[in-house]
Amino acid sequence: EIVLTQSPGTLSLSPGERATLSCRASQSISSNSLAWYQQKPGQAPRLLFYGVSGRATGIPDRFSGSGSGTDFTLTISRLEPEDFAVYHCEHYGSSPHTFGQGTKVEIK
Amino acid sequence: EVQLVQSGAEVRKPGESLRISCKASGFSFTNYWIGWVRQMPGKGLEWMGLIHPDKSKTEYSPSFEGRVTFSADKSITTAYVQWSSLQTSDTATYYCARLSGDGYSWPFRFWGLGTLVTVSS
Repeated sequence: EIVLTQSPGTLSLSPGERATLSCRASQSISSNSLAWYQQKPGQAPRLLFYGVSGRATGIPDRFSGSGSGTDFTLTISRLEPEDFAVYHCEHYGSSPHTFGQGTKVEIK
Repeated sequence: EVQLVQSGAEVRKPGESLRISCKASGFSFTNYWIGWVRQMPGKGLEWMGLIHPDKSKTEYSPSFEGRVTFSADKSITTAYVQWSSLQTSDTATYYCARLSGDGYSWPFRFWGLGTLVTVSS
């Protein structure tokens, strides 16, 4: 089973700032099968990226995904008020799929 | 429009059984894997596993194998997860979700709103 470790646990930033979230895998992820989700309080998660950097429908281009092998990054270039949320990474290339523990992006 | 409509919140006592549902519409139910994800209060997402309604195949996370059972009824395009004996540690919100593609190795593109299960004596 691939273990995903996200850091930091919480990121305190102001609107307009850049957010950099990390997701590290315990072993290399095949076929770039790494996704990112955004989750707001009381809501279901929303898919942001698949295949590391493939933007899902409707996701603004201030969001970007990058990385390979075991190290992956979600970047939000300029935080908008609606971007403050919890972000989860997921590996889906083999069974079992697994999630990281999440990074909360909060308003400073 | 793809929709996954989950059953309502449930309250049970430890040791009781429970089945919650996920009614799918807007796509060919038998072409896609449906998954279940647990989120304990204030915690992250946990991948429980998948079911393919047409192939009657299931994949369970080792953390959930033997603790839950997935099933699906093609005639009413509904997926289920059931417990035979709940524990207080099963208290969580349970999401059903559909994979993006028609294969196995895809992320979850469509999500239900979640079912809150509370287990308390």
